[in-house]
Amino acid sequence: DTAVSQTPKYLVTQMGNDKSIKCEQNLGHDTMYWYKQDSKKFLKIMFSYNNKELIINETVPNRFSPKSPDKAHLNLHINSLELGDSAVYFCASSQVLNQPQHFGDGTRLSIL
Amino acid sequence: DAKTTQPNSMESNEEEPVHLPCNHSTISGTDYIHWYRQLPSQGPEYVIHGLTSNVNNRMASLAIAEDRKSSTLILHRATLRDAAVYYCSLQGAQKLVFGQGTRLTINP
Repeated sequence: DTAVSQTPKYLVTQMGNDKSIKCEQNLGHDTMYWYKQDSKKFLKIMFSYNNKELIINETVPNRFSPKSPDKAHLNLHINSLELGDSAVYFCASSQVLNQPQHFGDGTRLSIL
Repeated sequence: DAKTTQPNSMESNEEEPVHLPCNHSTISGTDYIHWYRQLPSQGPEYVIHGLTSNVNNRMASLAIAEDRKSSTLILHRATLRDAAVYYCSLQGAQKLVFGQGTRLTINP
């Protein structure tokens, strides 16, 4: 039983397109996160939601919009994709903020 | 801005202890210190966390300096499966910062 699952695992698309990445957790956690990991392996927080409310919103272009329909799901929609958006995006969840996080396996986004 | 600093890489031998350092001089009083590790093509995996006191679990130990400006992750007997990138992280109210990670190589 996968605790944090992301789809798709790979996403190859062209510049200018709009795409979404979905994330679901079955751990009953209240807090969910989106991270971006670049080619140098730096891991940077993008957003965090607690019980469907946005609690962390780092300096991220407004082309990125998170949506949390319920506390088990946190999706990431990206408009007008750019070459610099190529990265691995990780979803994670924790019981509450500051508690251990469980990560998904990542979505590798490649922009052509 | 909060920041954590780690060595880029370290090497150790199998069955020997490993001490992975992290500097976090800008830590705030309510920030937790977390450690995660990441194997190739996988998401980060939680290892251990603490606030002020040293912590032990089945995977590792965490030693936190008295002034909390640095910490050390201790793997007591490294195995080949411990080869990974280890990230030190500060987590507090509306703050989540990861270091650049230390790539740990274990020699047989």
